[in-house]
Amino acid sequence: DIQMTQSPPSLSASLGDKVTITCQASQNINKYIAWYQQKPGKAPRLLIRYTSTLESGTPSRFSGSGSGRDYSFSISNVESEDIASYYCLQYDNLPYTFGAGTKLELK
Amino acid sequence: EVQLVESGGGLVKPGSSLKLSCVASGFTFSSYGMHWIRQAPKKGLEWIALIYYDSSNKYYADSVKGRFTISRDNSKNTLYLEMNSLRSEDTAMYYCAKTSTRVPLYWGQGVMVTVSS
Repeated sequence: DIQMTQSPPSLSASLGDKVTITCQASQNINKYIAWYQQKPGKAPRLLIRYTSTLESGTPSRFSGSGSGRDYSFSISNVESEDIASYYCLQYDNLPYTFGAGTKLELK
Repeated sequence: EVQLVESGGGLVKPGSSLKLSCVASGFTFSSYGMHWIRQAPKKGLEWIALIYYDSSNKYYADSVKGRFTISRDNSKNTLYLEMNSLRSEDTAMYYCAKTSTRVPLYWGQGVMVTVSS
């Protein structure tokens, strides 16, 4: 199974900051990584698929990049509505595997 | 509008069985693969199973293989997860999700399963 190492586990940011989360796969995942946002008590919401393709409705301040084993997810100009947990998901190989998550908090 | 509504959760004892359902609407259910994904309390997400649109292929996480069975009834627009030999570590919110080009896109609101004596 592919392991996804996500960091950091938590992040503290001020409004307007840029933050970056990384995920490293245990093997090449050919850009098949997605990023989800989850707010307390809610189901996750898909923000980005295939490394950098924004889903409909995802604000342009969200972005993703990477290749091979190493991927990143960024939020530029953090807004209050971005306070949530974020997860990466590799879907190159079954079983799919999630990163452990990153909790974004306001400083 | 895509809607996925899970049901069938509850409190059960270790070793017992439970069957979850996920009723889909707002899309052609028989054309899409479906996932089950779970989240233990205050923990991260864990993918657990995938079934193809026509039930031709089913895949499981190692943590549930041999104990859980994913199935679907396209005539009823319903996805199922049959869970046997339940353990305390199976306690979680269980989500069904619709695939979009391999990625779980639309998720239900989840159903809670608690395994405790």
